[in-house]
Amino acid sequence: GAVVSQHPSRVICKSGTSVKIECRSLDFQATTMFWYRQFPKQSLMLMATSNEGSKATYEQGVEKDKFLINHASLTLSTLTVTSAHPEDSSFYICSATQGDSLNTEAFFGQGTRLTVV
Amino acid sequence: QKEVEQDPGPLSVPEGAIVSLNCTYSNSAFQYFMWYRQYSRKGPELLMYTYSSGNKEDGRFTAQVDKSSKYISLFIRDSQPSDSATYLCAMTTYNTDKLIFGTGTRLQVFP
Repeated sequence: GAVVSQHPSRVICKSGTSVKIECRSLDFQATTMFWYRQFPKQSLMLMATSNEGSKATYEQGVEKDKFLINHASLTLSTLTVTSAHPEDSSFYICSATQGDSLNTEAFFGQGTRLTVV
Repeated sequence: QKEVEQDPGPLSVPEGAIVSLNCTYSNSAFQYFMWYRQYSRKGPELLMYTYSSGNKEDGRFTAQVDKSSKYISLFIRDSQPSDSATYLCAMTTYNTDKLIFGTGTRLQVFP
């Protein structure tokens, strides 16, 4: 299957700093990328949907100024957690779909464990 | 009420057992159903993808969908310790790629 690479896999940062997470589709063009957040023993919660070249669509309750998403190319999307605080510590996962048809398979990155101290 | 309900477990079974994992949903607009396996600290991996009522088989895995009851299942035959993971159901409607996930069921298969 298609491969989505997410980097870094783990990051520890100080409170107040910003952290950038990258999500790359390695062998296909990802027309749509999704960013999820997962708390321990809970399901993935969709944060935002991004299409290449356009602004991301954020889910209700997700602060777009805090979680900056850039989808500048068909193979790369980035999530920047700005002015991170301990409550932002979580597991962040991206997924990507290819093609123009809806309901195509979603391929997931390996996830990024963010710890804000 | 959550759109997708899934028993979080944990579910502990001996090696070789048949495992049954289930999800119920409330939105009749869901048309596409998926099962993902997630190992600890890793991203989810797609196991099964189906869009019609009935059974779909792939190796030791069988996905079952009953749209009339809004109920989906994943069966694992001859379970192995390597199957120990969290299994998430996910579903979406016809006109979007946005996945709605269950909370995941943690499965442990002991030798």
